Amino acid sequence: DAGVIQSPRHEVTEMGQEVTLRCKPISGHNSLFWYRQTMMRGLELLIYFNNNVPIDDSGMPEDRFSAKMPNASFSTLKIQPSEPRDSAVYFCASSASGGAGPEQFFGPGTRLTVL
Amino acid sequence: AQSVTQLDSQVPVFEEAPVELRCNYSSSVSVYLFWYVQYPNQGLQLLLKYLSGSTLVKGINGFEAEFNKSQTSFHLRKPSVHISDTAEYFCAVRGGGADGLTFGKGTHLIIQP
Repeated sequence: DAGVIQSPRHEVTEMGQEVTLRCKPISGHNSLFWYRQTMMRGLELLIYFNNNVPIDDSGMPEDRFSAKMPNASFSTLKIQPSEPRDSAVYFCASSASGGAGPEQFFGPGTRLTVL
Repeated sequence: AQSVTQLDSQVPVFEEAPVELRCNYSSSVSVYLFWYVQYPNQGLQLLLKYLSGSTLVKGINGFEAEFNKSQTSFHLRKPSVHISDTAEYFCAVRGGGADGLTFGKGTHLIIQP
């Protein structure tokens, strides 16, 4: 079975450019999470969706960040404009509700470098 | 609000020796507890989880953890480590419902030959 799929795996861009990160959750999972990992702050939750609806976006750092989930099999995280301090590894995770348990399955991450 | 404290940022241990990675949490509600492992340049892989029931939970790769409610701890142990266990280990907590995970800062396990 395919796990969580993220693209691109690596992204290098210049300050001021728009960046779009993509995620395909595990089929059948109804919750999707975006996390950011940095040396300074560790792993932190940015936003999560339940049944394609954003539930909690309190972790989104600024208005420059936005996330969408147009359907159950696709989500995007967009940064516009990007800044060097946005450099981090961005993880997407998904989980199923009910008897399948609350554990989250993580994708391989997108390593973003903003120059 | 929930928080997770991993007391050791780095733990060196000799190969085939036992190891314990410490994790303490704080939460005002009942929680689920997890340990994830991250190998270099990879995503996070679930090692084990505590949802309810028996306080001793066993996971993959010979790891186990014990939930202690009175001490709000969820320490990870392995009786004999292998060089391949070198990685970053994260303790995480999740409240009831579809909440995100709150992670500790991680513990870097270093296996010395």
